[in-house]
Amino acid sequence: QQQVRQSPQSLTVWEGETAILNCSYENSAFDYFPWYQQFPGEGPALLISILSVSNKKEDGRFTIFFNKREKKLSLHIADSQPGDSATYFCAASGGATGGNNKLTFGQGTVLSVIP
Amino acid sequence: DMKVTQMPRYLIKRMGENVLLECGQDMSHETMYWYRQDPGLGLQLIYISYDVDSNSEGDIPKGYRVSRKKREHFSLILDSAKTNQTSVYFCASSLGGRAEQFFGPGTRLTVL
Repeated sequence: QQQVRQSPQSLTVWEGETAILNCSYENSAFDYFPWYQQFPGEGPALLISILSVSNKKEDGRFTIFFNKREKKLSLHIADSQPGDSATYFCAASGGATGGNNKLTFGQGTVLSVIP
Repeated sequence: DMKVTQMPRYLIKRMGENVLLECGQDMSHETMYWYRQDPGLGLQLIYISYDVDSNSEGDIPKGYRVSRKKREHFSLILDSAKTNQTSVYFCASSLGGRAEQFFGPGTRLTVL
């Protein structure tokens, strides 16, 4: 079963707009949520992360909003740039089964930013 | 220079052949991972290694085995490859816990 779900599968925005990528999860034991960015032909790289004790995390143009009650989070990319065009993965870890080492990834959102 | 390397980058094998994928890291990370990435499925964890000779199954270990004899090297072995093992395989390493996972560039494996 898909424990971490992302929507939309693909998203196209104009340069300068805010892109909003959504993520939801099922396991209430998850307490750490990193977002990874992947460019074609490369491996994923950590972009930003949040712990479940927080409801917001900012890093420059990238912001995570977290809603523990609804088991949802979103990544907002402000002032989107063509260089932000990539696939974004939401991931989660935590709890007795997975522990802190094991990440469960969503299926990814492909973001295209049009100049 | 913090780096995870993977060899080979591209590989074509016939069904039933054995496959060896190699991964190296220069960060002295204890924990290493093997994932496969398929369209629409994201990254799926095959095996996790906590240190030399300390390996644990991930979510999809069937058809795979691993070997870690040195901290900096982690190998993924497919004995008698199957066509449904055609995928892109990523190796990663981390300090463990909630530390950032550093990924290699991937190996694209095609099994005919």
